[in-house]
Amino acid sequence: KAGVTQTPRYLIKTRGQQVTLSCSPISGHRSVSWYQQTPGQGLQFLFEYFSETQRNKGNFPGRFSGRQFSNSRSEMNVSTLELGDSALYLCASSLQTGSTEAFFGQGTRLTVV
Amino acid sequence: AQSVTQPDIHITVSEGASLELRCNYSYGATPYLFWYVQSPGQGLQLLLKYFSGDTLVQGIKGFEAEFKRSQSSFNLRKPSVHWSDAAEYFCAVGGDTGNQFYFGTGTSLTVIP
Repeated sequence: KAGVTQTPRYLIKTRGQQVTLSCSPISGHRSVSWYQQTPGQGLQFLFEYFSETQRNKGNFPGRFSGRQFSNSRSEMNVSTLELGDSALYLCASSLQTGSTEAFFGQGTRLTVV
Repeated sequence: AQSVTQPDIHITVSEGASLELRCNYSYGATPYLFWYVQSPGQGLQLLLKYFSGDTLVQGIKGFEAEFKRSQSSFNLRKPSVHWSDAAEYFCAVGGDTGNQFYFGTGTSLTVIP
């Protein structure tokens, strides 16, 4: 069974640009959550999507958005990139919503220059 | 509000020695608790989880953790550490809604031969 796939693995963008990251969950999983990991702030929850609906949102500005498609694949978008957005973005896949176990992808390393 | 504290930022142990990583949580109800491990540049791998029932849970790679409600702790243990266990370890608690996890700041484990 394939795991969680995140693309791309690495990305370099310039301040002010926008970026889209993709996550394909484990087959049959309907919940996808996104986390930002930085050395200073650690792992912070961005949002969760379940059955194409945003279930929960963390404390991030509106520049961070996401969506989920009918096949459960999810994308997150960051507009007007800032240097502080440089981070490892992790996607987590779960069978259902409601604090069930989550399986993480390898992440997308975003560097903003 | 939910939170997790991992008091030890960095731990060094000798190969073959026992290991205990500390985790304290703050949560109003019965928590869902998790331990994840992260190797450099990689995503998070689930080691074990506690939802309910037996307070001593067994995980992969020979790890176990004990839930102690009276101490609000969920410490991770391994009787004999292998060099391949060197990594970052994260304790997490599930939130009230959805699949939002609250992570500790992590403990970095170094294993010396």
